[in-house]
Amino acid sequence: SAVISQKPSRDICQRGTSLTIQCQVDSQVTMMFWYRQQPGQSLTLIATANQGSEATYESGFVIDKFPISRPNLTFSTLTVSNMSPEDSSIYLCSVETIPGQSTDTQYFGPGTRLTVL
Amino acid sequence: AQKITQTQPGMFVQEKEAVTLDCTYDTSDPSYGLFWYKQPSSGEMIFLIYQGSYDQQNATEGRYSLNFQKARKSANLVISASQLGDSAMYFCAMRELGFGNEKLTFGTGTRLTIIP
Repeated sequence: SAVISQKPSRDICQRGTSLTIQCQVDSQVTMMFWYRQQPGQSLTLIATANQGSEATYESGFVIDKFPISRPNLTFSTLTVSNMSPEDSSIYLCSVETIPGQSTDTQYFGPGTRLTVL
Repeated sequence: AQKITQTQPGMFVQEKEAVTLDCTYDTSDPSYGLFWYKQPSSGEMIFLIYQGSYDQQNATEGRYSLNFQKARKSANLVISASQLGDSAMYFCAMRELGFGNEKLTFGTGTRLTIIP
C-alpha cells in the first residue's frame, strides 16, 4: 500500500474564497482521485487526476469550481473555488497503483476537513 | 449503473460479540470487486477487505471476513470478537473491472458502536 498525506488536515474559510488541498504520495502511482464527503453522507467521486493532462470530472462537478493539478506521479492538488457553506465537507484523495485490475485497492489519504462560514 | 445498498444506518453491539454489517449491490458487469472501508471519527478511510466477483472463497483478513453470496448479490462484512476500537462508520464499495473503470461507488454506510 502507499502512504498518502494531505495538507491542510482541516481549515475554516470564509465564503467567496478559495482553498487548495495538496495530496502527496510516497511512491509513484498511476491513478489519483479526489472524493468529497458531505456531512453525514457517503463519498462521491469528484474527478480523476490525470498526470500530464486535464482531470476527468464526474457528473455534477466542473473544472471552474474544482480545478485539479497533477504535475507528476506523486502529487496532486484540488482547489475548491469561490466557496459557499455547501462546500463544507471532508475532501479525500485516493490512489491506485495498478489500473484496470479490480483487485487493485484504492488507498485514501487522511482527508481535509473544510468548514465554510 | 452500479449501486450499493447498506440498510443498517446504525448498530450497537456488545464488546467481544461478532457483528455482521449488510451490503447488497447491483451491477450488470460480471466482473467486479467489492471493498469494505472503516472510517473512524478522525475521517480517514481505512481499507479492510476485498472480494473479487470470480473469487471462489470468501475473503478473510484477521478478524474481518466477507460473506460473499453472489447469487443474492450480497457482500456482508463479519467482524469477529468485536473491540471498542471497532466503533466507526463502515462503508461498502464496488468497482467494475476494466481499464477506465476505476471509480468506486460507495454505500451510505453503517455506524457501528461497540458497547463495553
